[in-house]
Amino acid sequence: DVKVTQSSRYLVKRTGEKVFLECVQDMDHENMFWYRQDPGLGLRLIYFSYDVKMKEKGDIPEGYSVSREKKERFSLILESASTNQTSMYLCASSFGVGTGTSYEQYFGPGTRLTVT
Amino acid sequence: QKEVEQNSGPLSVPEGAIASLNCTYSDRVSQSFFWYRQYSGKSPELIMSIYSNGDKEDGRFTAQLNKASQYVSLLIRDSQPSDSATYLCAVQGRGGSEKLVFGKGTKLTVNP
Repeated sequence: DVKVTQSSRYLVKRTGEKVFLECVQDMDHENMFWYRQDPGLGLRLIYFSYDVKMKEKGDIPEGYSVSREKKERFSLILESASTNQTSMYLCASSFGVGTGTSYEQYFGPGTRLTVT
Repeated sequence: QKEVEQNSGPLSVPEGAIASLNCTYSDRVSQSFFWYRQYSGKSPELIMSIYSNGDKEDGRFTAQLNKASQYVSLLIRDSQPSDSATYLCAVQGRGGSEKLVFGKGTKLTVNP
C-alpha cells in the first residue's frame, strides 16, 4: 500500500512565524504535490515537484515555498504565516509519466493549520 | 468555463438505492479520470480510475466515461450510510500534465 505521511495533524502558529510542513512517501514516487483545501474553494495546488530539487508553481504559490532535497520528502514552507493561510494542507504523491499508474495521486492525512 | 464541474449537492439517497454522481470536464484531450472519496475531516481517498470509454466496475462502484460528451460519472449501488462523504472528480491536467484538476465535490448523504 502507498503510504504518505505528514508531520502533524494539527498545528497552531502565530502570525509572522516561519512554518514548516513535512511530507514523506514510501513508494518511490517521482511526483509530489502540496494542496490547500478550504470550504467552498475545493482543492487548490500550491506547488508541484517532479524530481529532486525540481519544482513548479501551482495555482496559489504566493506566500509559500517548497524544498525537495530527497526523493521521498517534500516540505512546504510558509515564510511568514498570515491568518489567511489558516487551512487544511494536503500532500500527495504519484508515479512519473510512463509508469502504469501515472497520474493517480495518493494523499497524506492532512495538516490542519491555524494561524492566530 | 470551469475545467471540472460537479453538482455540489447535497445529494441524498435512501439506504439500498443507487447514488449517481456526475462530472463534466472542459479539456477534450484529457485521458485519465479519477474519483476520490473524502470523509468529513479526512483526506481524499482514491476509489476509481478510468481511462477508456465505457464502464468500469469495482464492487458496488461503477465509473462511466464518455469522452465525446466530456462526461464521467460514478454509480454507487446498494448505497450504505458509510458511503456518506464528499466525492471528488479529478481529471488529468491540460496538455498531458502530470497534475490533476479537481472538481469541488458532491456531498452524498445516505439515509438509513
